[in-house]
Amino acid sequence: TQLLEQSPQFLSIQEGENLTVYCNSSSVFSSLQWYRQEPGEGPVLLVTVVTGGEVKKLKRLTFQFGDARKDSSLHITAAQPGDTGLYLCAGPGVSTSGTYKYIFGTGTRLKVLA
Amino acid sequence: DAGITQSPRHKVTETGTPVTLRCHQTENHRYMYWYRQDPGHGLRLIHYSYGVKDTDKGEVSDGYSVSRSKTEDFLLTLESATSSQTSVYFCAISRGGNNSPLHFGNGTRLTVT
Repeated sequence: TQLLEQSPQFLSIQEGENLTVYCNSSSVFSSLQWYRQEPGEGPVLLVTVVTGGEVKKLKRLTFQFGDARKDSSLHITAAQPGDTGLYLCAGPGVSTSGTYKYIFGTGTRLKVLA
Repeated sequence: DAGITQSPRHKVTETGTPVTLRCHQTENHRYMYWYRQDPGHGLRLIHYSYGVKDTDKGEVSDGYSVSRSKTEDFLLTLESATSSQTSVYFCAISRGGNNSPLHFGNGTRLTVT
C-alpha cells in the first residue's frame, strides 16, 4: 500500500518566519502534487513536480522533489497570514486496472500569526 | 474555477438511513473521485470513476457504493449510514494522466446521528 506521510502535522509561526513542510513515502512516485486548502473549500493545486531533484518556485514557495522520487518538501520564505491553511501532498497511486487514483498525505495545518 | 457542484452542502441524517451525495461537473473530464476528510487523516479515497459505468474502489470503500450513468454526474451512496461515516466528503475531477491536476468541489458536510 502506498502511503504519504507529512510532517509536521501542525505548525504555528510568526509572520516573516521561514518554514519547511515534508512529504515522505517508502514508495516511488512518478510525480507529486502540492495542494492548499482553506476552511470551507476544497483543495487547490499549487504545483506538480515530475523529475527527481526538480525544484520549482512559486513566489515565496519553493517545492523540491527528492532525487529518488520518494519525498518532497515545501519551503515558505517570509510567511504571511495569507499562507495560513492546510497543505496536502498527493501522488498517483498504483491501480490494477491501469487507471489513475490519487493518494493524499495526512496534511500539515499551518497558521501564520500577524 | 472548474465547474464542479456538490449537493447537498450539508446533511444531517440518522443511523441506518440511506444517503446519496451528488457530484456534478460541466468540464467533461473523464475521471471523478470521492474522498472523505477527517482530522488527522488528510483525504482518503473512497471510490473513483474513469468513465461512464467504470468505477473502482479506493482505500476506504466499505459501506459506500457509487454510480456514474453519465459523464457529468457521480453519485456516492451510503446504503445504511453509520456514525463513523460522519465526515466531510469531497468530489474531485481530472482529465486523467499522471500529472493531471485534480479540481475539487466545496465539499458536503455529513453528520450521522
